[in-house]
Amino acid sequence: DTAVSQTPKYLVTQMGNDKSIKCEQNLGHDTMYWYKQDSKKFLKIMFSYNNKELIINETVPNRFSPKSPDKAHLNLHINSLELGDSAVYFCASSPPAGYNEQFFGPGTRLTVL
Amino acid sequence: DAKTTQPPSMDCAEGRAANLPCNHSTISGNEYVYWYRQIHSQGPQYIIHGLKNNETNEMASLIITEDRKSSTLILPHATLRDTAVYYCIVRASNTGNQFYFGTGTSLTVIP
Repeated sequence: DTAVSQTPKYLVTQMGNDKSIKCEQNLGHDTMYWYKQDSKKFLKIMFSYNNKELIINETVPNRFSPKSPDKAHLNLHINSLELGDSAVYFCASSPPAGYNEQFFGPGTRLTVL
Repeated sequence: DAKTTQPPSMDCAEGRAANLPCNHSTISGNEYVYWYRQIHSQGPQYIIHGLKNNETNEMASLIITEDRKSSTLILPHATLRDTAVYYCIVRASNTGNQFYFGTGTSLTVIP
């Protein structure tokens, strides 16, 4: 009964491939997020999304795209993977705007070879 | 969102109080102070937040100075499981809900 889950936990792939990371939350939250944590451990917001609005961090390449089939899921699609995309990706969720706590998933470690 | 400054690392003896400082001298009136932590290989975990008054919950206490330019997170009886990176974040509640994490303080609890 994990609150925020991600699959896969580890992903190893070649440069140029297209891959997806799945995220699901069973908390009934309205807003979901993707964060990227690089090798230096900096944790940076990539997207925040609810059923009304997608907010994109302007530094995120357009090879990255969130897809939400329903309120409980926010998947991350990455096209034409590059070496620099290697990182740990965290999904998170929170109740409607203004809420103070975000609940994070366990992370997906992506390695691009 | 205001920038925060934290010491890169700290040690604390098991069973003692861990006091983690954070400077946020450019904080605005509508910005809250939040603390999260990240235990190795896990996602960040919410600890506590506050605006002006000191706050306490089952995990920690948050002391905010009167001028709000700095704060201290207190773990009253640190355990080995409290070893983690602790992030101090300031954010207005209406800024699209993103949290901007800095470099944090790596706390090591020593047996």
